[in-house]
Amino acid sequence: DIVMTQSPLSLPVTPGEPASISCRATQSLLHSNGHHFFDWYLQKPGQSPQLLIYWGSNRAPGVPDRFSGSGSGTDFTLKISRVEAEDVGVYYCMQALQTPYTFGQGTKLEIK
Amino acid sequence: EVQLVESGGDLVQPGGSLRLSCAASGYSFNNYWMHWVRQAPGKGLVWVSRLNEDGTITSYADSVKGRFTISRDNAKNTLYLQMNSLRAEDTAVYYCARDIGGVGSLWGQGTLVTVSS
Repeated sequence: DIVMTQSPLSLPVTPGEPASISCRATQSLLHSNGHHFFDWYLQKPGQSPQLLIYWGSNRAPGVPDRFSGSGSGTDFTLKISRVEAEDVGVYYCMQALQTPYTFGQGTKLEIK
Repeated sequence: EVQLVESGGDLVQPGGSLRLSCAASGYSFNNYWMHWVRQAPGKGLVWVSRLNEDGTITSYADSVKGRFTISRDNAKNTLYLQMNSLRAEDTAVYYCARDIGGVGSLWGQGTLVTVSS
């Protein structure tokens, strides 16, 4: 199975400041079609997960442009340019290259 | 409105069975792969199973293989998860999700399964 490792696991951030979360996979997530089968999800308190970034760097419809994804191969990063109060929750990375699909442990973002 | 609504979660004894349902609306259900993902209380997300558009290709996590069966009824726009031989460690909120790993990803609100005597 592909293991996904996120860091940090806890992320206190002052509103207006940037934030960054890293995720590393135990093998390359590059598919033969040229896309990385790698997503970022946010699970807000009491809600189901919502897609933020798909294929490593593509923002999902309706996601604010302060969110960006980058990376390739095994290493990926989610950046929030200016954190807002509504961004609190747990962020998960996920690989969909092969089954079983696997998630990172989650990074809890809180407002200072 | 495009949505997924799960139902069927309940308290069940170890060794028992339960069938979860996920009703899809607002889109062409038979055009998408569907998945079940679970989340134990206070824990992270764990993928459980997936099924292709016409119900002919399935995959399962090792932890549920041989005990859970995923299926769909495209005429009823509904996804199912038949869970047999339930264990305490199957206790979780079960989410159905559309097109995980793609731009069309959509999740339901989840249904709680509790396995306890």
